Amino acid sequence: KAGVTQTPRYLIKTRGQQVTLSCSPISGHRSVSWYQQTPGQGLQFLFEYFSETQRNKGNFPGRFSGRQFSNSRSEMNVSTLELGDSALYLCASSLEPLGQSNQPQHFGDGTRLSIL
Amino acid sequence: SQQGEEDPQALSIQEGENATMNCSYKTSINNLQWYRQNSGRGLVHLILIRSNEREKHSGRLRVTLDTSKKSSSLLITASRAADTASYFCATDEAGYSTLTFGKGTMLLVSP
Repeated sequence: KAGVTQTPRYLIKTRGQQVTLSCSPISGHRSVSWYQQTPGQGLQFLFEYFSETQRNKGNFPGRFSGRQFSNSRSEMNVSTLELGDSALYLCASSLEPLGQSNQPQHFGDGTRLSIL
Repeated sequence: SQQGEEDPQALSIQEGENATMNCSYKTSINNLQWYRQNSGRGLVHLILIRSNEREKHSGRLRVTLDTSKKSSSLLITASRAADTASYFCATDEAGYSTLTFGKGTMLLVSP
């Protein structure tokens, strides 16, 4: 069974631009969560999608948004990029939503976003 | 949301030795999970322990959970160089639909 796939693996953008990251979950998984990882703040929860609905969102500004498609694939978008948005963005999938079952999350290898 | 804290922040040992990492958290949890991350890669799930469990084993890994002290430990026995990675605990907190990670322990296993 294929794992979680994130594209692209690396991305370089400049301040003010916007970016879209993509995540394909494990087949059959309907929950997709996004995390931002930085050296200073560590791993921080961005949001979770389940059955095309956002269930929860972390403490991030409205510039960070996402969506989930009917095939469970998910995208996240960051608009008006800032230098502080440089990070590793990780996507994770699971069968059921967070907090509703004792199941692990399965992570992709992430997208390394660098803002110049 | 509350964040778990791992201790120590970094650990350096020789191959064959045991490595113990600790995690503390602040709220009631549904479960606690341990993950490993190799440099520049995604997280790999190691063990999930439910709030009503006290100990769990998987191969060379042993996890304990003490909900009265809000703490957990991960023991890696007979460490190998390939165990070199960062290890994170994550809590599935009761009442929240999020997974909250600690800042991790960097483990270096020297041959």
